[in-house]
Amino acid sequence: QKEVEQNSGPLSVPEGAIASLNCTYSDRGSQSFFWYRQYSGKSPELIMSIYSNGDKEDGRFTAQLNKASQYVSLLIRDSQPSDSATYLCAVNRGSNYKLTFGKGTLLTVNP
Amino acid sequence: EAGVVQSPRYKIIEKKQPVAFWCNPISGHNTLYWYLQNLGQGPELLIRYENEEAVDDSQLPKDRFSAERLKGVDSTLKIQPAELGDSAVYLCASSLTGSTEAFFGQGTRLTVV
Repeated sequence: QKEVEQNSGPLSVPEGAIASLNCTYSDRGSQSFFWYRQYSGKSPELIMSIYSNGDKEDGRFTAQLNKASQYVSLLIRDSQPSDSATYLCAVNRGSNYKLTFGKGTLLTVNP
Repeated sequence: EAGVVQSPRYKIIEKKQPVAFWCNPISGHNTLYWYLQNLGQGPELLIRYENEEAVDDSQLPKDRFSAERLKGVDSTLKIQPAELGDSAVYLCASSLTGSTEAFFGQGTRLTVV
């Protein structure tokens, strides 16, 4: 079983719709959870972090964490063509441990 | 605030040649990471530094890869000799000590021919 799993996509949504990106992880000791956005040919950019169960909202982005189900998701409301990118899920057991990434989900937002 | 700076952005070398990558982390960030990203994959950790100490180098192929972080600021990652399979993007990231939020540099795209 892979440590962090994501659907590779591509996930295609129309402009203005809600994009839902999902991630599961295998290490029950994971404490920190992150979403990075990576445009083609660019480096990963941290867009959301979440540490406790529930929802965390930042603008059009909402991260959701369910530790019991070992599941973390990212919702993007009012999707824009500029949101088209690969979204990487990453988890960490703590500051003394490495950050483990999934393969990423390619999101395409169609005008 | 300046971000993580890496150089060069691109490098093309012949196999068996040496290559080095340089990273300057965000000011005040004592934790520095080197990641490798292959096409279509997520970044994978090569080595993590706390100040000048390598605290996790278990994923670094030590037969050909080496890294150093003198004075606990800038870092250099070296490959000698390079192999065709080393073609990838090498990413440097940094974070505050005790924080798990890592910020990445622009990366160095290495092509070995």
